[in-house]
Amino acid sequence: DAGVTQSPTHLIKTRGQHVTLRCSPISGHKSVSWYQQVLGQGPQFIFQYYEKEERGRGNFPDRFSARQFPNYSSELNVNALLLGDSALYLCASSLVGLEQFFGPGTRLTVL
Amino acid sequence: DQQVKQNSPSLSVQEGRISILNCDYTNSMFDYFLWYKKYPAEGPTFLISISSIKDKNEDGRFTVFLNKSAKHLSLHIVPSQPGDSAVYFCAARDNAGNMLTFGGGTRLMVKP
Repeated sequence: DAGVTQSPTHLIKTRGQHVTLRCSPISGHKSVSWYQQVLGQGPQFIFQYYEKEERGRGNFPDRFSARQFPNYSSELNVNALLLGDSALYLCASSLVGLEQFFGPGTRLTVL
Repeated sequence: DQQVKQNSPSLSVQEGRISILNCDYTNSMFDYFLWYKKYPAEGPTFLISISSIKDKNEDGRFTVFLNKSAKHLSLHIVPSQPGDSAVYFCAARDNAGNMLTFGGGTRLMVKP
């Protein structure tokens, strides 16, 4: 079975632009979560979606938004990019209440 | 306010010996704890977990111990192998949802 997939793998943007990151969960998993990992730190929770509804939101500005589609895939959108948004963005999927399985991440560089 | 802390940024161990990675937490609402391993350019890989109602969980070479009164958990790897060299993250989930709070990670180096 395929694991969690994310696209693109790498992305370079300039300040002020917006970006869309995509995630496909493991087949059968209905919950998707997004995390931001800055170099040298642990992943930090951004959003969780379950059955297309937002179930949790971390301490991130409104420039960050997400959605989940009927096939349970998800998009993370970031507007008005700042240099500090440069990070590895991780998507994780899970069956409700159980372990989260992570994708390989999207490396975003903001210049 | 770091609710999950891994105070050792790095650990070096000889192959065949025991590796002990530590994690402390402050939030009493955490009810489930997980360890993940991360290689460069990959996402974290789930290793082992433990519920707050247990004090030990074992899976092969990996054992996690939970001391609720001390709000401390540890991951033991016995015997350590060079392939275990990676960054290890401790994570905790609170009983209000599925969100994970991660520690800052410990880089484990297992020397042949």
